[in-house]
Amino acid sequence: SQTIHQWPATLVQPVGSPLSLECTVEGTSNPNLYWYRQAAGRGLQLLFYSVGIGQISSEVPQNLSASRPQDRQFILSSKKLLLSDSGFYLCAWSVVGYNEQFFGPGTRLTVL
Amino acid sequence: AQSVTQLGSHVSVSEGALVLLRCNYSSSVPPYLFWYVQYPNQGLQLLLKYTSAATLVKGINGFEAEFKKSETSFHLTKPSAHMSDAAEYFCAVSSNSGGGADGLTFGKGTHLIIQP
Repeated sequence: SQTIHQWPATLVQPVGSPLSLECTVEGTSNPNLYWYRQAAGRGLQLLFYSVGIGQISSEVPQNLSASRPQDRQFILSSKKLLLSDSGFYLCAWSVVGYNEQFFGPGTRLTVL
Repeated sequence: AQSVTQLGSHVSVSEGALVLLRCNYSSSVPPYLFWYVQYPNQGLQLLLKYTSAATLVKGINGFEAEFKKSETSFHLTKPSAHMSDAAEYFCAVSSNSGGGADGLTFGKGTHLIIQP
């Protein structure tokens, strides 16, 4: 069966520090991968999606970036965090050709 | 462009009462619709999905939703609420015909509170 992992589960970082969140999927090949951010009372916002290694589409301009160095690995990064980057970050995957997405457990990021 | 509106950021029902969570969508093409549930500090779990087959969709945990094109709605219901249903519920729409990689568009969520 397929599983999706995210780490770390929680993270507290100072403003201006770098960020790296990792997401990996097991049990499937060539998935579509997604990064969402969930801020309190604002639902989920799609940040990036990827249809293959090295192929990243950005939905919202910001100081975050994403990379897909391997088929089942998706990384969210920032060179300098802002207070507004605080939130709950969710990674998701889907099978190519299907709309249903499967979500990871999330990472709670607090920027102080 | 597509969008989702969930009416009511908080809904409170008594245990054993009917649960009704409202979702209206906007899409320029026939939509694919989803309901997800999120428990505190966890990821989202799919409850059910509409993909142009039967308009009444049954999901997990006794939930169901009915697609009404004329009302552009996809409301979520459960006949009898249980304490374990307390969670955040998200309605989402995708207008891809089953091949695109674009992400889902989510509503802002409805927090379901179950009163004992």
